[in-house]
Amino acid sequence: QKEVEQNSGPLSVPEGAIASLNCTYSDRGSQSFFWYRQYSGKSPELIMSIYSNGDKEDGRFTAQLNKASQYVSLLIRDSQPSDSATYLCAAESTGTASKLTFGTGTRLQVTL
Amino acid sequence: DVKVTQSSRYLVKRTGEKVFLECVQDMDHENMFWYRQDPGLGLRLIYFSYDVKMKEKGDIPEGYSVSREKKERFSLILESASTNQTSMYLCASSPPSFRATTYTDTQYFGPGTRLTVL
Repeated sequence: QKEVEQNSGPLSVPEGAIASLNCTYSDRGSQSFFWYRQYSGKSPELIMSIYSNGDKEDGRFTAQLNKASQYVSLLIRDSQPSDSATYLCAAESTGTASKLTFGTGTRLQVTL
Repeated sequence: DVKVTQSSRYLVKRTGEKVFLECVQDMDHENMFWYRQDPGLGLRLIYFSYDVKMKEKGDIPEGYSVSREKKERFSLILESASTNQTSMYLCASSPPSFRATTYTDTQYFGPGTRLTVL
């Protein structure tokens, strides 16, 4: 069973700090990775996708991918209370194009 | 903007009833997916479809079936609802893999249907 692992949290950071969310995956053949944000009672919404080793920045968000270590992370700079949500990491399931395996999510709390 | 809609936000059904959950996307996506989400278990794939009239079992297909008669519409059917099917059901769609390799494109989610089976 291909797996995506995340610490469930909650991860608590003060407003303005950097939040660091981590994810490991077991399918060495995965090429595509995604971070979704999910507010309580709502559906997941895409924050970022990453396909190549290294960093990818989009505004306050930076995704980092290390395929050798099978590790994906998401950094949120200048964290805001509105960033408080559950963050889901997803990895492509090789052998079945377009299918994703999701982690169970990390709950982030940004405190005032 | 991609739009995925689901027929109901909240649904309450009785044990043994046949339940239909409908999902419609307006982006001409080939791929559509049905997930259920439960606390501590995350998103689990029930069924997915690559094209009209095509369907593939996901990780937890037991007790469910699907129908895809038109490209934009993907229905999830609970043949005989049971209490352990009480859950949040999420539909998603995506375009096909956009590169020659196995790169996978983003999945876009609908608002979800919270189903309670009594």
